[in-house]
Amino acid sequence: AQSVTQLDSQVPVFEEAPVELRCNYSSSVSVYLFWYVQYPNQGLQLLLKYLSGSTLVKGINGFEAEFNKSQTSFHLRKPSVHISDTAEYFCAVSERNTDKLIFGTGTRLQVFP
Amino acid sequence: GAVVSQHPSRVICKSGTSVKIECRSLDFQATTMFWYRQFPKQSLMLMATSNEGSKATYEQGVEKDKFLINHASLTLSTLTVTSAHPEDSSFYICSARDRLSLSPLHFGNGTRLTVT
Repeated sequence: AQSVTQLDSQVPVFEEAPVELRCNYSSSVSVYLFWYVQYPNQGLQLLLKYLSGSTLVKGINGFEAEFNKSQTSFHLRKPSVHISDTAEYFCAVSERNTDKLIFGTGTRLQVFP
Repeated sequence: GAVVSQHPSRVICKSGTSVKIECRSLDFQATTMFWYRQFPKQSLMLMATSNEGSKATYEQGVEKDKFLINHASLTLSTLTVTSAHPEDSSFYICSARDRLSLSPLHFGNGTRLTVT
C-alpha cells in the first residue's frame, strides 16, 4: 500500500517570494507521483507529474518538482509566487500503470500582497 | 481539451431521501471512473472505482448499498447516495481518463452535498 504525507497544512508567503511545499511518500512498489491544485469549490487540476526519466519535472503556472528516490520525496517549488497561486495543493501517488490515486492531506498556500 | 462534467454542482436534500450525482466525460470515452469524497479542509478519499458494464469496486469501509454506482456507458457514471444522512454531507468529486490515450486523469468540478 502507498501513503502520502504533506507535513505542512498551511504555508503563508508573500507575493514574489519563493515557496516549497513538501511531500513525502511511502510505497513498496514503484510509483507515479503527482501534484494537483484545487481552487475553492472546484475539482482538481494537474500541475505536474513524475512517471519516469528526469527527476526534475516542470509543470504549469511556473511550478516544478523534484523526485528524490532516496528521500522518498517529491517537493513542489515555485521561485516567485503570485496572489493567484493561493489554493490548496495536493500531492498524490499511484502504483505504476494504475489510475488509483492516493492523496496527501493537502497544503493550503496563502499568498499575501 | 478533455473535460469531465459533474452535475449538480450543489444539492441540498432532506434526511432519508436519495440523491444522484452524474459524472460525464464530454469528449472522450472512459471505461473507468473514480469517485472521491472530500470532507472540509481534508484530503480526497477514494470511495470506489466505477467500471463500465460491470460492478463498481468499493474501497474498504465504503458501504456499497449506501453509495450506489452505475457506469452504464463509456461517458457516464452516476453515484447515488441513498437514504442520506447529515453525516453524508460532503464534497464528492469524480475523475476519469481517456481510455484511448495516455493523458492523465481529469477531474470534475465536484458536487457539494448538504443533507439537512
